Formats: sequence, structure tokens, C-alpha cells
Amino acid sequence: SQTIHQWPATLVQPVGSPLSLECTVEGTSNPNLYWYRQAAGRGLQLLFYSVGIGQISSEVPQNLSASRPQDRQFILSSKKLLLSDSGFYLCAWSAGLKNIQYFGAGTRLSVL
Amino acid sequence: KQEVTQIPAALSVPEGENLVLNCSFTDSAIYNLQWFRQDPGKGLTSLLLIQSSQREQTSGRLNASLDKSSGRSTLYIAASQPGDSATYLCAVTNTGNQFYFGTGTSLTVIP
Repeated sequence: SQTIHQWPATLVQPVGSPLSLECTVEGTSNPNLYWYRQAAGRGLQLLFYSVGIGQISSEVPQNLSASRPQDRQFILSSKKLLLSDSGFYLCAWSAGLKNIQYFGAGTRLSVL
Repeated sequence: KQEVTQIPAALSVPEGENLVLNCSFTDSAIYNLQWFRQDPGKGLTSLLLIQSSQREQTSGRLNASLDKSSGRSTLYIAASQPGDSATYLCAVTNTGNQFYFGTGTSLTVIP
């Protein structure tokens, strides 16, 4: 069966520090991968999605970046965090004809 | 650009009541529609997926319907239980690679 791992679960970082969130998927090949941000009381905002290794599409301009170094690994990064980067970050994957989307447990990021 | 709206934003019902959550979308050319449940501080759990060619899907006490032409979907929950308390989100995809989410309905089922 397929599983998705996302870590860390919580993270407190000072403004200006770097960020690296990792997401890995097991049990499937060539999945579509996604990074979302969910701000308090708001919906999910798609940040990045990837249809293959090294292929990244960005939905919103920001100081975040994403990389897909391996088929089932998706990394969200920042060189210098801003206060506005605080939020709940969710990784997800989808595959197959039905394209059902499955989510990780999320990372709560607080930038202080 | 696809826009997804969910009404109401919050709903509180007594245990045992049947309820309906609504989802509307602006572009009817969707590939599929998916309903999710999110518990506080947790990720999203997929509940039901309706392909564009389907009218409804059922899973246990949940029934989701889709009316593509009017840009609407409903999630029907029968005989609600306190454990159903959560935020319910709907999402549509046009191309299969991008998902557009509503802001969710926060449901509280009162024992």
C-alpha cells in the first residue's frame, strides 16, 4: 500500500533562517507531488506541484522553492524565512486515472 | 481560474441529524471532484471521489453528488455522530494535475 511521510511535524524558526521540509512517498511510482500551505482560517493554497523528477511548477511568487531530486521525494525550501511564511504545510501525492489526492500529516511552521 | 466555494462555513447540529454540505465551482469542465475531511492540526483524509462522468458516490453514511452543468456538489451525511465533527473540504481538478480547494465547512455534531 502507498504511504506518504512528511516531517517534521512542528517547526519553530526565527525570521531570516533557512527552511527545509521533506516529503517522501512509498508504494507508487512517478506520482504527481504537491506542496500546499494552509493559513489559519483559510483554505489550501497550492504552492508547487511536480509531475516528474526535476519538473516543478510554481503557483504563487514567494521566497519559497521546491525540488524533486528523486521520483518519490519532494522538498520545500527557503533561504530566508519571513513572518508571513508561518502556516500549516501539507504535502500530497496523486497518481493513476482517478488521480485521487492523498495527504501527509502536515508540518506546523511558526516563524518568530 | 477555477474558484471553489463552500457553504456554510460552519455548521452545528445535534447528534443523529442528517445534514448536507455544499460545494460550488465556477468552471464546469472538471476532471473530478474530491471530498476530504480534516481534523484539527491534521492532514486531509480523502472521503469520496466523483469522476466527471459520474453523478454520485457513496461510502457508508456518506453520499456525494455532482451536478457538473450547474457547478455544484453536495456531501450528505446520514445519522450524524460526534465523531463526524471536523472540517470538510471539497476540491476539483480541471487538468488532473492541479487541485482547487474550497475553504471548508467546519462541522460540529453535538452529543
